[in-house]
Amino acid sequence: QKEVEQDPGPLSVPEGAIVSLNCTYSNSAFQYFMWYRQYSRKGPELLMYTYSSGNKEDGRFTAQVDKSSKYISLFIRDSQPSDSATYLCAMSAGAYNFNKFYFGSGTKLNVKP
Amino acid sequence: DGGITQSPKYLFRKEGQNVTLSCEQNLNHDAMYWYRQDPGQGLRLIYYSQIVNDFQKGDIAEGYSVSREKKESFPLTVTSAQKNPTAFYLCASSISTGAEAFFGQGTRLTVV
Repeated sequence: QKEVEQDPGPLSVPEGAIVSLNCTYSNSAFQYFMWYRQYSRKGPELLMYTYSSGNKEDGRFTAQVDKSSKYISLFIRDSQPSDSATYLCAMSAGAYNFNKFYFGSGTKLNVKP
Repeated sequence: DGGITQSPKYLFRKEGQNVTLSCEQNLNHDAMYWYRQDPGQGLRLIYYSQIVNDFQKGDIAEGYSVSREKKESFPLTVTSAQKNPTAFYLCASSISTGAEAFFGQGTRLTVV
């Protein structure tokens, strides 16, 4: 079983839709959760960084962590064609000593005009 | 502008040659990483460094080597021992290992 599971998609939605992207994980020690956006042939760009459980909002993006279910989500409101990219989730057990990042394989999102 | 700079963006190598990928950061981060990304696969950790003059093997270190002589720089050498070197290579840094990581724009290496 992989440490982090993420549906590869592709996920196709019309412009203006609310998008829900999800990852599940198996290691209860994970405390730090990240979402990255990666355009084709570019490096991943950090969108959201959250610690432990709860919600965090930044503009049209909301990150949600449910540690009891080992489930994290990224919601995109009022989706735009420019949001078309691959979204990677990542997590780690801590910020000190070496706690490696575990990445999902990415969900490809296509927002149609 | 603070960030991570990888160069070159595209690199072509003949079989049997070593090649070095550059990674420089001006974020004053202690930790730096090298990942490899192949189509349909997640990021795989090659090497990481928690501090200057220290580095450790990641999950797929065979055929690669690194150095960390300066805080700002973490070059990756792809040696001729790496059997499948064609890939997209990503360098990242974070203030400490496990904290949020920031990525460079990547180097696409092709063996011809």
